[in-house]
Amino acid sequence: DARVTQTPRHKVTEMGQEVTMRCQPILGHNTVFWYRQTMMQGLELLAYFRNRAPLDDSGMPKDRFSAEMPDATLATLKIQPSEPRDSAVYFCASGWTEETSGNTIYFGEGSWLTVV
Amino acid sequence: GDSVTQMEGPVTLSEEAFLTINCTYTATGYPSLFWYVQYPGEGLQLLLKATKADDKGSNKGFEATYRKETTSFHLEKGSVQVSDSAVYFCALRFTGGGNKLTFGTGTQLKVEL
Repeated sequence: DARVTQTPRHKVTEMGQEVTMRCQPILGHNTVFWYRQTMMQGLELLAYFRNRAPLDDSGMPKDRFSAEMPDATLATLKIQPSEPRDSAVYFCASGWTEETSGNTIYFGEGSWLTVV
Repeated sequence: GDSVTQMEGPVTLSEEAFLTINCTYTATGYPSLFWYVQYPGEGLQLLLKATKADDKGSNKGFEATYRKETTSFHLEKGSVQVSDSAVYFCALRFTGGGNKLTFGTGTQLKVEL
């Protein structure tokens, strides 16, 4: 089965360190999303891309977070420097989104980040 | 802006009980509506969806009907199993909104023997 692949699955890092999370979207999907999940805030949209172009990153703290799609098979989310409040599960999702809003968005298993 | 409101959890039920998880939305226009499920330690999986008013989505014994007049998309199952224990998220999407999903806060379901 096609799936969204995220790495690393789990990461524990010290405050101030750089963290890079990677995502391989499902082949043929043109839209990639980054969501963050915490107990307090639930699921928050951080950024998303269509055809590799960033469409919206207003949910992302710009001073320390950056998201890119170097090519159609790779999306990255970087935090530099990391802080304890960044501890969360970061989900990547992909889908084909053009003409209808009903197309399924598929989620990866998540990257579970702990910043100590 | 667009938003989704779900009933608070956790919801605790005995096996074979009837399940309802309420979901209402606020949006300008007519979005597509979704239920996603998250099992412990896993990502979100699409459970069911409905793309227009009066559509009924169904999967694995779960159902939800898109009610435009009450802006609701309540999730139901006639007889829950222990394996249904998970967090359930209601969500909406528009074409014009970049196709991003707007989620509710999630409702945790615990099913006991």
